[in-house]
Amino acid sequence: AQSVTQLDSQVPVFEEAPVELRCNYSSSVSVYLFWYVQYPNQGLQLLLKYLSGSTLVKSINGFEAEFNKSQTSFHLRKPSVHISDTAEYFCAVSVSYFNFGNEKLTFGTGTRLTIIP
Amino acid sequence: DAGVTQSPTHLIKTRGQQVTLRCSPKSGHDTVSWYQQALGQGPQFIFQYYEEEERQRGNFPDRFSGHQFPNYSSELNVNALLLGDSALYLCASSALAGLGFHEQYFGPGTRLTVT
Repeated sequence: AQSVTQLDSQVPVFEEAPVELRCNYSSSVSVYLFWYVQYPNQGLQLLLKYLSGSTLVKSINGFEAEFNKSQTSFHLRKPSVHISDTAEYFCAVSVSYFNFGNEKLTFGTGTRLTIIP
Repeated sequence: DAGVTQSPTHLIKTRGQQVTLRCSPKSGHDTVSWYQQALGQGPQFIFQYYEEEERQRGNFPDRFSGHQFPNYSSELNVNALLLGDSALYLCASSALAGLGFHEQYFGPGTRLTVT
């Protein structure tokens, strides 16, 4: 079985400051790693994913995450946040064998990112 | 493309009642997964349907059941509702067939309140 730990339930950050949201996972098999974002009263949107290859993955809106296999981590970073980044962020894993990308997602408990003007 | 749609948006039920939630997948998708997101928690996998069969199931009691129709839409049924069933229920669709990664697209969810 897989599990995901997001230690920070809430992270307040001043606008234009950098931010890091932490994610650690546990799994006995290879996994795919994901960050999802949930804006108020909306469903989940995929922010970025790690499937294989380069351990540093980037989104179109400036977020990046680095897969660290030895530390079983997949922390999310952004060098300069904006008010529009205020949302709940969920780290998730799924097993990487069998049907690509269609195995169940196991989520962490989420981190609420609040941007302070 | 309408994306994943869910109905109803909100629902209030009384303990002991039964409820049916509905999901229409994104065009071209044949697989539907259901997740329960309790307040302040991450989504928890309930089950996944493909070709009208339950393909995977999470740790949820038999009170939770589902169905997938030939047009790939799906229903989630919950019997004998408990207060603890109050949550946001999310539907996600994806395409199972074919090699490579297939992203799961989430709908906006149905907010169920059990009183």
